[in-house]
Amino acid sequence: DIVMTQSPDSLAVSLGERATINCKSSQSVLYSSNNKNYLAWYQQKPGQPPKLLIYWASTRESGVPDRFSGSGSGTDFTLTISSLQAEDVAVYYCQQYYNTAMYTFGQGTKLEIK
Amino acid sequence: EAQLVESGGGLVQPGGSLRLSCAASGFTFSSYWMSWVRQAPGKGLEWVANIKEDGSEKYYVDSVKGRFTISRDNAKNSLYLQMNSLRAEDTAVYYCARVSEKYGGALDYWGQGILVTVSS
Repeated sequence: DIVMTQSPDSLAVSLGERATINCKSSQSVLYSSNNKNYLAWYQQKPGQPPKLLIYWASTRESGVPDRFSGSGSGTDFTLTISSLQAEDVAVYYCQQYYNTAMYTFGQGTKLEIK
Repeated sequence: EAQLVESGGGLVQPGGSLRLSCAASGFTFSSYWMSWVRQAPGKGLEWVANIKEDGSEKYYVDSVKGRFTISRDNAKNSLYLQMNSLRAEDTAVYYCARVSEKYGGALDYWGQGILVTVSS
């Protein structure tokens, strides 16, 4: 199984400042035949279902503000919020979908306002 | 726009059974893999199962293998999760989600979730 480990578990950032969340997979999620990383990021606000933010590790889903960006390849990935807004308070999850037979999520990172 | 609506949750005793349903609309249901994902109270997301467009392939997390069965009825645009031999640790909000082929397998639409509580 591919284990996804996020860091930190929680993060407090001032409004307008940068927030960075890391995600590490226990094995590469880069598919060599198409050079794509099978890694997604989701945002979950209290009482709501998760929302897809980023797929292919770095492609923003339609409608997602451009302050959200994803980077990384292979086993190490980062979600960056360039200028934190109040509405970005949420829990963020990474997920690998490299293995259709066994999807796995990171444990989540809780983002709060400092 | 795609919409997913779960139903069938509730309170069940340990060892009991429950069948969750997910009604899909706004997209060609038969063209997509589908997933069930759950979230225990105050905990993170856990993928539960995937099913191929035609139901010919099914995959499960180890903790539910042999107890849960994912299925679908493309004529009814519906996804199901039959849960048997339920345990306290199965208590969670269960979400159905669409697997996006365009995005390689990311989950692009989610239902609002349905609560399953396993308790005596």
